[in-house]
Amino acid sequence: GAGVSQSPSNKVTEKGKDVELRCDPISGHTALYWYRQSLGQGLEFLIYFQGNSAPDKSGLPSDRFSAERTGGSVSTLTIQRTQQEDSAVYLCASSLGPAGQGAHEQYFGPGTRLTVT
Amino acid sequence: KQEVTQIPAALSVPEGENLVLNCSFTDSAIYNLQWFRQDPGKGLTSLLLIQSSQREQTSGRLNASLDKSSGRSTLYIAASQPGDSATYLCAVTGNQFYFGTGTSLTVIP
Repeated sequence: GAGVSQSPSNKVTEKGKDVELRCDPISGHTALYWYRQSLGQGLEFLIYFQGNSAPDKSGLPSDRFSAERTGGSVSTLTIQRTQQEDSAVYLCASSLGPAGQGAHEQYFGPGTRLTVT
Repeated sequence: KQEVTQIPAALSVPEGENLVLNCSFTDSAIYNLQWFRQDPGKGLTSLLLIQSSQREQTSGRLNASLDKSSGRSTLYIAASQPGDSATYLCAVTGNQFYFGTGTSLTVIP
């Protein structure tokens, strides 16, 4: 596709349920990033993939959060046993190469708005 | 750890005014700085990317400058329009991307 896509666009779930969020990066982009944006807050870095590997998982808030990437393309972010504080917009971005290797522009998807009731 | 600050947090101007948004960062060891626009309920749209070796970049009515040594960047918007109303975020690229908290701009018709 032409840009980064994410699904679903909106997700309402009950506290305690698991959710999966999907990100399709721009074709050929090796780096993929997940961020979280809570209401009125800035972007919180969650995890970064280079290919299928995640060199930096430092931003994952707890062990309820996990992510994987397969085939160097699609990534899924899984939140287990969701809590109300997990409610936020989850944004995915991709870039041609990783941040630490030069001037690569990030392209963002539209985000998934997660509401935990 | 890199910290990125944007001032002001919110700005309201009448249509037609020129305006400047500010971004400061604490660690000058960056590869580039990127300005984004975010509309309510939407993702981020890249506006300009300035590489660390550059001083400024221009796109239409937008001009972004970078002073790496002092840890500052500005986004200049000329002849503002109501359609410019959005939140503007800056991000610096080091070993990862670091974002500011944004400036919410309202252009009043």
